[in-house]
Amino acid sequence: QKEVEQDPGPLSVPEGAIVSLNCTYSNSAFQYFMWYRQYSRKGPELLMYTYSSGNKEDGRFTAQVDKSSKYISLFIRDSQPSDSATYLCAMSAPGGSYIPTFGRGTSLIVHP
Amino acid sequence: DVKVTQSSRYLVKRTGEKVFLECVQDMDHENMFWYRQDPGLGLRLIYFSYDVKMKEKGDIPEGYSVSREKKERFSLILESASTNQTSMYLCASTLGTEAFFGQGTRLTVV
Repeated sequence: QKEVEQDPGPLSVPEGAIVSLNCTYSNSAFQYFMWYRQYSRKGPELLMYTYSSGNKEDGRFTAQVDKSSKYISLFIRDSQPSDSATYLCAMSAPGGSYIPTFGRGTSLIVHP
Repeated sequence: DVKVTQSSRYLVKRTGEKVFLECVQDMDHENMFWYRQDPGLGLRLIYFSYDVKMKEKGDIPEGYSVSREKKERFSLILESASTNQTSMYLCASTLGTEAFFGQGTRLTVV
């Protein structure tokens, strides 16, 4: 079992839909949780960052962390075609070099 | 803005060639990483470096080596390229928990 599990999709939704992207993990030492967005033929870029449990909101994006269930989510409200990309979750534990462990990424397609 | 620059976007090399992939970051980050990204497998860590001349193996170091002679530059070396090393290679540097990625190098070994 991989440390971080993420459904690769693709997930296809109509414009304006609410999107839910999820990851589960097995390492209880993870304290830092990130979501990266990767457009086709580009490198990933950081979208959201959360420390420990709870919610964080940034515009149309909300990140949720449930450490008791080892489950994290990214919600996208009012999805746009420009949100079409691959979304990768990443996690790291304190200490050392904070090496992030990535999920496989979920491909999201928002169609007009 | 942090910039991580990879020397090539696309490379085509022959089996058995020695291949160098270069990565430069401009923010004085201590940690630098090399990943490869393959469909269905996600990002897999090849090597990382937490200081000049320091290196650590990641999950899939076989067939690769690295060099970090200067803080801003981290090179990935394929000693003898093979077709199963055809992939997208991503370099990253980190500040705390945030990783900054380059644009990637799509390497094809024929």
